[in-house]
Amino acid sequence: AQKITQTQPGMFVQEKEAVTLDCTYDTSDPSYGLFWYKQPSSGEMIFLIYQGSYDQQNATEGRYSLNFQKARKSANLVISASQLGDSAMYFCAMREGGADNQGGKLIFGQGTELSVKP
Amino acid sequence: EPEVTQTPSHQVTQMGQEVILRCVPISNHLYFYWYRQILGQKVEFLVSFYNNEISEKSEIFDDQFSVERPDGSNFTLKIRSTKLEDSAMYFCASSAPRDRVREETQYFGPGTRLLVL
Repeated sequence: AQKITQTQPGMFVQEKEAVTLDCTYDTSDPSYGLFWYKQPSSGEMIFLIYQGSYDQQNATEGRYSLNFQKARKSANLVISASQLGDSAMYFCAMREGGADNQGGKLIFGQGTELSVKP
Repeated sequence: EPEVTQTPSHQVTQMGQEVILRCVPISNHLYFYWYRQILGQKVEFLVSFYNNEISEKSEIFDDQFSVERPDGSNFTLKIRSTKLEDSAMYFCASSAPRDRVREETQYFGPGTRLLVL
């Protein structure tokens, strides 16, 4: 069974509009971390935002926010005011295992290709 | 801002040859990782490393693979006898700054694109 599911292989958004990229996860561990990474066509993996399983508030980083719904096991990424430079592949990931939240491996979803239209 | 660096950016090798991929993690980080991404697929965990030993490895990380931290800054991945299916982008990552050990974000290097012919 997939531990991280991204159901949108591709998304389009108009420049300056907001877009939500979906991510659901599956774990029985009470302690986990959720991450979003951006991968532009150049190939690097750029960290965007993190949400810990015990965090009470949704994470925000500039134009990025994470809509964390623990009971539904979803961690959707919201990008506000999309820019042309936001066009990229976006990966949701979950940290599994490790000790005291450290050293655990990241399990990635299949990714969502976002295209921002001018 | 500190970042993870990797060399080389691209490597082409013949099947059966040994390759060493090099990484310099962020200097005050304690945990190090290797991941790979076959073209068009998702990123897969290979191995994690802490305190000079492997913490965890995946099924992919068989006897052909090894990791080493030969000095205080480098972290290497060796593939002993490359196969065609080893062609992928290999990412190094690091986490856990010494002064903020509960911060768990893994920061990735730019990757090494390995092509096995």
